[in-house]
Amino acid sequence: AQSVTQLDSQVPVFEEAPVELRCNYSSSVSVYLFWYVQYPNQGLQLLLKYLSGSTLVESINGFEAEFNKSQTSFHLRKPSVHISDTAEYFCAVNPRAREKLTFGTGTRLTIIP
Amino acid sequence: NAGVTQTPKFQVLKTGQSMTLQCAQDMNHEYMSWYRQDPGMGLRLIHYSVGAGITDQGEVPNGYNVSRSTTEDFPLRLLSAAPSQTSVYFCASSYAKSGLYGYTFGSGTRLTVV
Repeated sequence: AQSVTQLDSQVPVFEEAPVELRCNYSSSVSVYLFWYVQYPNQGLQLLLKYLSGSTLVESINGFEAEFNKSQTSFHLRKPSVHISDTAEYFCAVNPRAREKLTFGTGTRLTIIP
Repeated sequence: NAGVTQTPKFQVLKTGQSMTLQCAQDMNHEYMSWYRQDPGMGLRLIHYSVGAGITDQGEVPNGYNVSRSTTEDFPLRLLSAAPSQTSVYFCASSYAKSGLYGYTFGSGTRLTVV
């Protein structure tokens, strides 16, 4: 069985500062990895995903995540955050042979002006 | 706009009442699922379906029923509401069972059981 761990439940960051949201997973098979974002009072939206190939993946709004197989991690980073990045971020893993998506418990990112 | 539509957005129930949360998608997705979101617990899978007529249990199925008579609709039924079912419920759908294209989520139903 696979699992996802997001170690930080809340991360406060000053505006224009860098941020890293941590995600570690465990799985006995190859996996797809995802980051989803949930803005206040909305559903989840896909932010970025790793399927195969380049270990560094990027989103359209400046976030990036790097797949590290040896450390079983998929941390999310942004070099300079904005107020509009305030949201909850969920890491998710999906084994390639099955259909269920397993979510982490989420990290609430708060931007301090 | 194409996507996943959930109704109602808000609902208050008394303990013991039953109700159905509606979920519809117009993207011809084969895979549909229901999650509940609780503070500090992330999203937990309740039930899912890989196609019309096929449903299966997730990790927290007790107290909920589902059916999938069409590709488009996947309603979630609460048989006898309990305060422990107070939560935000999300429906999600996907083309591929493997999650290759990610999941599309509805905007959620906030349910309070008193």
